[in-house]
Amino acid sequence: DAKTTQPPSMDCAEGRAANLPCNHSTISGNEYVYWYRQIHSQGPQYIIHGLKNNETNEMASLIITEDRKSSTLILPHATLRDTAVYYCIGGGSNYKLTFGKGTLLTVNP
Amino acid sequence: DAGVTQSPTHLIKTRGQQVTLRCSPKSGHDTVSWYQQALGQGPQFIFQYYEEEERQRGNFPDRFSGHQFPNYSSELNVNALLLGDSALYLCASSLVGQPYEQYFGPGTRLTVT
Repeated sequence: DAKTTQPPSMDCAEGRAANLPCNHSTISGNEYVYWYRQIHSQGPQYIIHGLKNNETNEMASLIITEDRKSSTLILPHATLRDTAVYYCIGGGSNYKLTFGKGTLLTVNP
Repeated sequence: DAGVTQSPTHLIKTRGQQVTLRCSPKSGHDTVSWYQQALGQGPQFIFQYYEEEERQRGNFPDRFSGHQFPNYSSELNVNALLLGDSALYLCASSLVGQPYEQYFGPGTRLTVT
């Protein structure tokens, strides 16, 4: 699985877009990038995944650079309930999710 | 549509004892994975079950074992408990064709004294 690097923490104002970066320079050509988040005292929650193209769903957008060495998760209008630890994970072929320490996103009123 | 459920929610055990944690997957899911999350850390993969067999295992000792039943529910067993086994144990379910889209339960908080 690809090693990923994320900033330990970020702040965002409520109602503004939250842009969470992830570096995955060792990702291989067939590895997807997955994003999960974990709100305090809950289990992780799947957000979105992508391979090459940008992806959007009801929760977020995922922008992957053309060289696939990095990506950005975008929460378009962050709310207080989006305060959580966000994990960027490179998915290989061995079925397991390898979590790092993630980014603690704090949304401030 | 019930999500992933786990029982019990909290558990206190003494060193050397054995513990069994239970998990029911999301309706329609056939694959169950277990993770251990120590305080302040990300979840660490223990193992994954599909078709009642262990398909993949993380770096955990043989004291950690599991089982999957025909109805896809699963158990995690830990023998000879150590203080270091105190953690949140998370169960996640998925479809075999979508192994990385995992749905997590709320976890079981295990405290070993």
